[in-house]
Amino acid sequence: DTAVSQTPKYLVTQMGNDKSIKCEQNLGHDTMYWYKQDSKKFLKIMFSYNNKELIINETVPNRFSPKSPDKAHLNLHINSLELGDSAVYFCASSARLVPAYEQYFGPGTRLTVT
Amino acid sequence: QQQVKQSPQSLIVQKGGISIINCAYENTAFDYFPWYQQFPGKGPALLIAIRPDVSEKKEGRFTISFNKSAKQFSLHIMDSQPGDSATYFCAALSSNDYKLSFGAGTTVTVRA
Repeated sequence: DTAVSQTPKYLVTQMGNDKSIKCEQNLGHDTMYWYKQDSKKFLKIMFSYNNKELIINETVPNRFSPKSPDKAHLNLHINSLELGDSAVYFCASSARLVPAYEQYFGPGTRLTVT
Repeated sequence: QQQVKQSPQSLIVQKGGISIINCAYENTAFDYFPWYQQFPGKGPALLIAIRPDVSEKKEGRFTISFNKSAKQFSLHIMDSQPGDSATYFCAALSSNDYKLSFGAGTTVTVRA
């Protein structure tokens, strides 16, 4: 029974396109996140949502827009995709925002922009 | 600016050997130090975590050693197995914050 799931697993698209990644957690957690993992495997937080409210927006271009329809879902929409957006995007969740102990990660979405 | 420095970048160990990964931090507000394990094509998974009130925590073959005065902590993988081959990330968090600071990761390869 998957705790944090993401779709799609792989996403290949061309520059300038708009795409979305979906995330769902069945852990009953209040807080969800989006992380970006670059080609050197460095993990960087992008967004954090707590009870559907945006908490963190870490200097992410406004082409990236997260949406949380409810506590169990956090989607990421990306407009006008650029080559530099190619990375693996992970959704994660934790029971609460503060302290954010024990974050559970999804399987990731590998985005390739050509 | 990376708040948690991790080394080495990669290491190779023989089956049955000990893998040691080191991390250092500067922010004394950090009070939770987890380690995540990531297999290729998978998301990071919480492996083990420690609070600064203890100097060591052991779970199976995985041990965290914590040195508060030196602001360093390390992961020891005892009796390393080929199935332990993965990338390991240390991280740190303050109890009044919500942002995990990750190290750069260490790729561990265990040779049979």
